[in-house]
Amino acid sequence: SQTIHQWPATLVQPVGSPLSLECTVEGTSNPNLYWYRQAAGRGLQLLFYSVGIGQISSEVPQNLSASRPQDRQFILSSKKLLLSDSGFYLCAWHRERRKGNYGYTFGSGTRLTVV
Amino acid sequence: AQSVTQLDSHVSVSEGTPVLLRCNYSSSYSPSLFWYVQHPNKGLQLLLKYTSAATLVKGINGFEAEFKKSETSFHLTKPSAHMSDAAEYFCVEGSYIPTFGRGTSLIVHP
Repeated sequence: SQTIHQWPATLVQPVGSPLSLECTVEGTSNPNLYWYRQAAGRGLQLLFYSVGIGQISSEVPQNLSASRPQDRQFILSSKKLLLSDSGFYLCAWHRERRKGNYGYTFGSGTRLTVV
Repeated sequence: AQSVTQLDSHVSVSEGTPVLLRCNYSSSYSPSLFWYVQHPNKGLQLLLKYTSAATLVKGINGFEAEFKKSETSFHLTKPSAHMSDAAEYFCVEGSYIPTFGRGTSLIVHP
């Protein structure tokens, strides 16, 4: 079966420290992968998406970066965190569009608090 | 460009009464529309999806939604609210890059 793993679940980091959030997908190949951020009281903002290994598209300018070193692995990083990076981060995957649109499957999220 | 508008930021109902969460979309091509639910500090769970088959879509937990092209709407309904339905609901247009509405918080009173 297809599953998505996201970790850690919660994270408290000081301003200026680095960040690495990891997301992996099982049970599928060549998924489209997405990173979203949900700030308190606001909707979901698409940060990055990837349609293949090494292919990253950024939706908004920001302090974060993403990488896809393997087909089913998507990493969100920062060299130096800002207070404004606090939020709830969600990873999602989506079947390659040619195979039909079955919706997006989300990980359980990471609550990041920058202090 | 795609956009999704959820017309209400909060909806408050009493347990046992009907639920209506409104969503309007704009898309230059045939849309793929979804409703997701998010309980506090949890990921998003798919409730139902419309992908150009039947216009009335039935989902999990008694929810359903009707796709109305003439009104560019995809409203979510449930005949009778339960306390466990209290959560944040997101309407999504996902035919290309997923576009989320800002969310509707459903409050259910006993």
